[in-house]
Amino acid sequence: DQQVKQNSPSLSVQEGRISILNCDYTNSMFDYFLWYKKYPAEGPTFLISISSIKDKNEDGRFTVFLNKSAKHLSLHIVPSQPGDSAVYFCAASDSWGKLQFGAGTQVVVTP
Amino acid sequence: DARVTQTPRDKVTEMGQEVTMRCQPILGHNTVFWYRQTMMQGLELLAYFRNRAPLDDSGMPKDRFSAEMPDATLATLKIQPSEPRDSAVYFCASGSGSTDTQYFGPGTRLTVL
Repeated sequence: DQQVKQNSPSLSVQEGRISILNCDYTNSMFDYFLWYKKYPAEGPTFLISISSIKDKNEDGRFTVFLNKSAKHLSLHIVPSQPGDSAVYFCAASDSWGKLQFGAGTQVVVTP
Repeated sequence: DARVTQTPRDKVTEMGQEVTMRCQPILGHNTVFWYRQTMMQGLELLAYFRNRAPLDDSGMPKDRFSAEMPDATLATLKIQPSEPRDSAVYFCASGSGSTDTQYFGPGTRLTVL
């Protein structure tokens, strides 16, 4: 039972443009959401998070938006850079601190 | 630069052999998680410790997998006997417990022939 879904397995974007990654969840008990970035042969690296009491969190080029009524969150990267090419995982946390991960979206930033 | 370390980084073994993977969480972190990443299942949680006590290992095949924290600086994941279907990348992550953010190690790539 996949409670966190990333329906786009891949995304190609031109350098300098905006990357928008989407994530949907089904469990209304999730109260904290995170995005991780993963390069090949490395562990996932924490990128940005948002609490369920907020609808937006920004950190430099990265902004996460949360729409609780739609059970949807998105990650915006602007401007996209070649170093952003990686797999991005959406994750949601329950009250026990356990994370459920989406399947990931492969982002390729082209020159 | 605090980070989670894992050993070995790569392990190739034959079916039936025992495999032990080790993890050193970030100093001061009191939660430790073991995940397995496969192409088919993505990142799945195997076990979860808080203050060295196992809280949830429902994601782990009980008959062959075991996870322990002998002390606060070491977590182990053992597979005995190993099977080809155990081939995957195993990640350890730790957290401070004050937030839900987890910090991942580089992973152990396990290949069981």
